[in-house]
Amino acid sequence: QQQVKQSPQSLIVQKGGISIINCAYENTAFDYFPWYQQFPGKGPALLIAIRPDVSEKKEGRFTISFNKSAKQFSLHIMDSQPGDSATYFCAASMTGGSRLTFGEGTQLTVNP
Amino acid sequence: NAGVTQTPKFQVLKTGQSMTLQCAQDMNHNSMYWYRQDPGMGLRLIYYSASEGTTDKGEVPNGYNVSRLNKREFSLRLESAAPSQTSVYFCASRGAGGTGFVYTFGSGTRLTVV
Repeated sequence: QQQVKQSPQSLIVQKGGISIINCAYENTAFDYFPWYQQFPGKGPALLIAIRPDVSEKKEGRFTISFNKSAKQFSLHIMDSQPGDSATYFCAASMTGGSRLTFGEGTQLTVNP
Repeated sequence: NAGVTQTPKFQVLKTGQSMTLQCAQDMNHNSMYWYRQDPGMGLRLIYYSASEGTTDKGEVPNGYNVSRLNKREFSLRLESAAPSQTSVYFCASRGAGGTGFVYTFGSGTRLTVV
């Protein structure tokens, strides 16, 4: 079963636009929500992460918005650049847990 | 450079052949993981090792075995490869990050079973 659902599967954005990727989770015990970025031929790398005690976290052009009651969180990429073209994965885990559950991934293409 | 090293990077197997994927990390991490990545299915956990000497099944363990050789090395073995095991395999290790824990991934092994 997929405990973390991610959408859309693919996304095309123009340079300078806003990219938005959404995730929903089922397990209310999850309390750590990272996003990973993967370039072709490479392994995923941590981009940004949030805990549910805050509703938003911003690092540069990347922002995570978190809605605990809806069990949803999203990644916003402001002023999207061609260099942001990659696959993005949301994930979730529990503090003290030893496993990270990933969403299905979103392939982002930013056109110049 | 510190990180996770996977070998080989590419491999083609015939159905029924066996092989071992190697993984080593030099960050003194306790936990190590094997994932497979398939289009539209994200990263699915095959096996993990929370600490040296222990291993546990993940979501999709059938057809695989693992060995935590020491703290640095965690190998994945396919005893009798099947076309359904065609995938990209990633090894990862886990450290402690500021807001939780951070996984560091290797660059992957692209396996094709014909």
